[in-house]
Amino acid sequence: ETGVTQTPRHLVMGMTNKKSLKCEQHLGHNAMYWYKQSAKKPLELMFVYSLEERVENNSVPSRFSPECPNSSHLFLHLHTLQPEDSALYLCASSQGAGGLQETQYFGPGTRLLVL
Amino acid sequence: AQSVTQLGSHVSVSEGALVLLRCNYSSSVPPYLFWYVQYPNQGLQLLLKYTSAATLVKGINGFEAEFKKSETSFHLTKPSAHMSDAAEYFCAVSSVASGSARQLTFGSGTQLTVLP
Repeated sequence: ETGVTQTPRHLVMGMTNKKSLKCEQHLGHNAMYWYKQSAKKPLELMFVYSLEERVENNSVPSRFSPECPNSSHLFLHLHTLQPEDSALYLCASSQGAGGLQETQYFGPGTRLLVL
Repeated sequence: AQSVTQLGSHVSVSEGALVLLRCNYSSSVPPYLFWYVQYPNQGLQLLLKYTSAATLVKGINGFEAEFKKSETSFHLTKPSAHMSDAAEYFCAVSSVASGSARQLTFGSGTQLTVLP
């Protein structure tokens, strides 16, 4: 495996389910990100983990819970989601502690549908 | 706060024609700007980025972009469109999220259609 991988690629869940999205990066990076891509809206940063510092977008509901057990793995735990949470969830990684010019590398995304 | 605006959510060009995708930025400090491409059912792939080393930046697949400070623009161009260029294109600006954490702020995207 190379680059950034995400599993599952597709997920359908009910509003009462609990599920987790997984992201793994094989680039030796130190920063990982979750973005949300909804139809007709710009990509939105949800969470960042950089050198063990966690930064979150204050507008993200608490039904989304990230976990970063090490610099290679990132999870997004989902519970009691709403239909408006249906979107493409993209994971990215970057070198971390670099300048503003450092590139973020994206995974293929998980397409989530909440029924 | 930094932001980018992409003019035109949909652009159609004929195969072989010039591609021009527009991006304007708003930033109080020298910006670091990126163009990403997203093919159907895939993640984002970096096309090119501006890091102040040169105002004309060449990227992959024959794309290039020119940073114009006076116009606060970073438009993406390709001299001759190919059918395989059909995708969605995103302009983004980098900023500090907090401490060592960085974030990209994206434009709303431009869907490029290439007509045979």
